Amino acid sequence: GENVEQHPSTLSVQEGDSAVIKCTYSDSASNYFPWYKQELGKGPQLIIDIRSNVGEKKDQRIAVTLNKTAKHFSLHITETQPEDSAVYFCAASETSGSRLTFGEGTQLTVNP
Amino acid sequence: EAGVVQSPRYKIIEKKQPVAFWCNPISGHNTLYWYLQNLGQGPELLIRYENEEAVDDSQLPKDRFSAERLKGVDSTLKIQPAELGDSAVYLCASSSGTGFEDTQYFGPGTRLTVL
Repeated sequence: GENVEQHPSTLSVQEGDSAVIKCTYSDSASNYFPWYKQELGKGPQLIIDIRSNVGEKKDQRIAVTLNKTAKHFSLHITETQPEDSAVYFCAASETSGSRLTFGEGTQLTVNP
Repeated sequence: EAGVVQSPRYKIIEKKQPVAFWCNPISGHNTLYWYLQNLGQGPELLIRYENEEAVDDSQLPKDRFSAERLKGVDSTLKIQPAELGDSAVYLCASSSGTGFEDTQYFGPGTRLTVL
């Protein structure tokens, strides 16, 4: 089955700096790669996703890149704000509606 | 639009007791998922329904866990009997089931503590 590894497990940045979280996956059949943000006591919330036919996708301060050959994808957050502080999960699946395999999560702290 | 609704939000039980969790998906969503999230880890799929049919239940511990989705809308996940290791957050998610742009939306979860 699919295995997703995520790094780093914790990340602390100053407000306004950029943050980068990286994930690798094992199953070449995976074609869908979402990123979820989870705040304390809440369920995961989708912030951006990318499919295998696209190398990069951007939504305001958030961008995701995908290297399907190397089987890795990354989340980039620019101009970080304190409200970006949360746990971020990457995931992979064959299609958007099928089983998501999640990474272990990254605790992002943005210091004012 | 209302999101995925789960109840209860918190549950504390003693080991060997039964427990049940309820989920109401987003209106019109045909696919429903139950995920288990242990502390400090990412969610793991327990079961996926397409309408009333369980199409992926390979990770559901069937000796003690059961689930149902009668009428293809609400779903109930049950554990009987509960063990100490079942303490976790149980997340329900739903998606439209159209195949493309099929985003999974998560509910707030039920935090289970087994004493």
